[in-house]
Amino acid sequence: QVQLVESGGGAVQPGRSLRLSCAASGFTFRSHAIHWVRQAPGKGLDWVAVVSHDGSTQFYADSVRGRFTTSRDNSKNTVYLQMNSLRAEDTAMYYCARDHFTENYSGPFDPWGQGTVVSVSS
Amino acid sequence: SSVLTQPPSVSVAPGQTARITCGGDHIGIRSVHWYQQKPGQAPVMVVYDDTDRPSGIPERFSGSESGNTATLTITRVEAGDEADYYCQVWDSSSDHLGVFGTGTKVTVL
Repeated sequence: QVQLVESGGGAVQPGRSLRLSCAASGFTFRSHAIHWVRQAPGKGLDWVAVVSHDGSTQFYADSVRGRFTTSRDNSKNTVYLQMNSLRAEDTAMYYCARDHFTENYSGPFDPWGQGTVVSVSS
Repeated sequence: SSVLTQPPSVSVAPGQTARITCGGDHIGIRSVHWYQQKPGQAPVMVVYDDTDRPSGIPERFSGSESGNTATLTITRVEAGDEADYYCQVWDSSSDHLGVFGTGTKVTVL
């Protein structure tokens, strides 16, 4: 079945970096864009970024543009989210989610991984 | 960028109908998607492209749209439907952005 598994989360100090991974299986990975969505504790969903199916295009939320970079390795069925200059407000559960349609990056998001927690604190 | 407004909470008795609204500029010209999130779990898509239902989602879940408001309707509500629900659109008017609604907590009485 279609599965997405995030990893790489943890506790980090403000200003430091962290790289998240999203490993996919059960579908033709190279045909689907992958999105990152985060959820701060007790808060709503917040879209972060997307990388297109072939890795040629990325878009970012205003709050992370210039600090976060998403990329993919289609030979490894894995997407990455490089997070630099982390801030306390980046503390959240980070989910990766597949774009429902092939060769499309505007959603919807289906399915989602179970998430990985990032905590930014001094 | 777009702002999508949802009521913070909706309460409904078992067997009744719950309606969750999502309001925002240009809703009528964008595809609206809906997600269900139960406590401690990842979100699940329950309606996409305004009215389409993914395989495995009960027919009790349906979407509609009128003017600048989209609505998720859950008929014959069950205890297991208690969850947070979010609407979502893609805003390509300036930057390409995913936008979520503010979220609605559905409580089954």
